[in-house]
Amino acid sequence: NAGVTQTPKFQVLKTGQSMTLQCAQDMNHEYMSWYRQDPGMGLRLIHYSVGAGITDQGEVPNGYNVSRSTTEDFPLRLLSAAPSQTSVYFCASFDRNTEAFFGQGTRLTVV
Amino acid sequence: GESVGLHLPTLSVQEGDNSIINCAYSNSASDYFIWYKQESGKGPQFIIDIRSNMDKRQGQRVTVLLNKTVKHLSLQIAATQPGDSAVYFCAERSQGAGGTSYGKLTFGQGTILTVHP
Repeated sequence: NAGVTQTPKFQVLKTGQSMTLQCAQDMNHEYMSWYRQDPGMGLRLIHYSVGAGITDQGEVPNGYNVSRSTTEDFPLRLLSAAPSQTSVYFCASFDRNTEAFFGQGTRLTVV
Repeated sequence: GESVGLHLPTLSVQEGDNSIINCAYSNSASDYFIWYKQESGKGPQFIIDIRSNMDKRQGQRVTVLLNKTVKHLSLQIAATQPGDSAVYFCAERSQGAGGTSYGKLTFGQGTILTVHP
């Protein structure tokens, strides 16, 4: 199993550009989440999903959209990138009785 | 609102000492708690978990204690080694919550543990 795979690992965007961060898991987990981590900070929840077709907002959802059309994939879309969205983004997947498994992160810089 | 926080942002110890990292939570509905270790440039990695029907759980060199009365969680690392240097996060879920809340995993601020040889 590959676990949780995030792509790309690094990305530089210009202000106003849009892009999609990809996240895929091969563990058939029901739940998936997106977090952002700023330097010296903890992980803040952006959006999460409890199954295909079901998503909800976390602590910092503004400026981001998600969808969950399949169990495996949970893409995160930045609609119009802003410098404040410069961060490291982590995707996680888990089930009701398991700990969360994390991807290796996407380092995003918005200039 | 829901929050999970830590008392100490940094902790420095000597190799061989025991380390204790603390965490406070405010959501009384939380029933599942997890400790994660994050090394530089990597995603968080699972260390140990505990459910609300337990007070203590032990792993290899690690022990988690849960005090539901004061909503406090701690991670004890025995005989701390330089390889334990990392950021440690506590996280919580409410597995029995309604709606979609059971899929919501919330993290605390984190504690930077530095182990000196």
